[in-house]
Amino acid sequence: DVKVTQSSRYLVKRTGEKVFLECVQDMDHENMFWYRQDPGLGLRLIYFSYDVKMKEKGDIPEGYSVSREKKERFSLILESASTNQTSMYLCASSSRGLAGVGGHEQFFGPGTRLTVL
Amino acid sequence: AQTVTQSQPEMSVQEAETVTLSCTYDTSESNYYLFWYKQPPSRQMILVIRQEAYKQQNATENRFSVNFQKAAKSFSLKISDSQLGDTAMYFCAYTGTASKLTFGTGTRLQVTL
Repeated sequence: DVKVTQSSRYLVKRTGEKVFLECVQDMDHENMFWYRQDPGLGLRLIYFSYDVKMKEKGDIPEGYSVSREKKERFSLILESASTNQTSMYLCASSSRGLAGVGGHEQFFGPGTRLTVL
Repeated sequence: AQTVTQSQPEMSVQEAETVTLSCTYDTSESNYYLFWYKQPPSRQMILVIRQEAYKQQNATENRFSVNFQKAAKSFSLKISDSQLGDTAMYFCAYTGTASKLTFGTGTRLQVTL
């Protein structure tokens, strides 16, 4: 079974703190993604990565950065946490597939519920 | 840009009954995929069913089936013989030439006795 793990289920941080959210997948997937989930807004893509050391901005990258030094690990960084970043953060991974075309299932981690006070 | 719309924020169905969740999307691409994902309370998001746009036949997975209307850009999910374990948030999602998903806002389904 594909397994995507996230470092914390619940996290409480103070405004201005630097926050690291870690995600690890064990299926040798090329693609990894970070989403935030808010009630009434669904899932919104923050950043994604197609390969090691590669990253692409998603729909809401402001206030976030990412790091992918190893294929299995994708980190989301909040440089200076703010209260409007209180949310559920979901990590996902997928294979690229032979043709490199979308359509491959994304496998999700359990999520990290981050509260910024 | 592609958009996905789920117009039913909440739905309720009795056990053993059938329920249909609606989804519409907007795209100019000809080759794309549509998904329904399920997020049970406090549990991980999992794939329910997938549809490839160039396949006219509607996808089916056990009690779950879709009604894919390409011209109308509609992609509804039908759950037959609803079970208590079907209680979850359901998200419709789209992906085209890139590997990233665009999600709808979700439908919260409650299955009752």
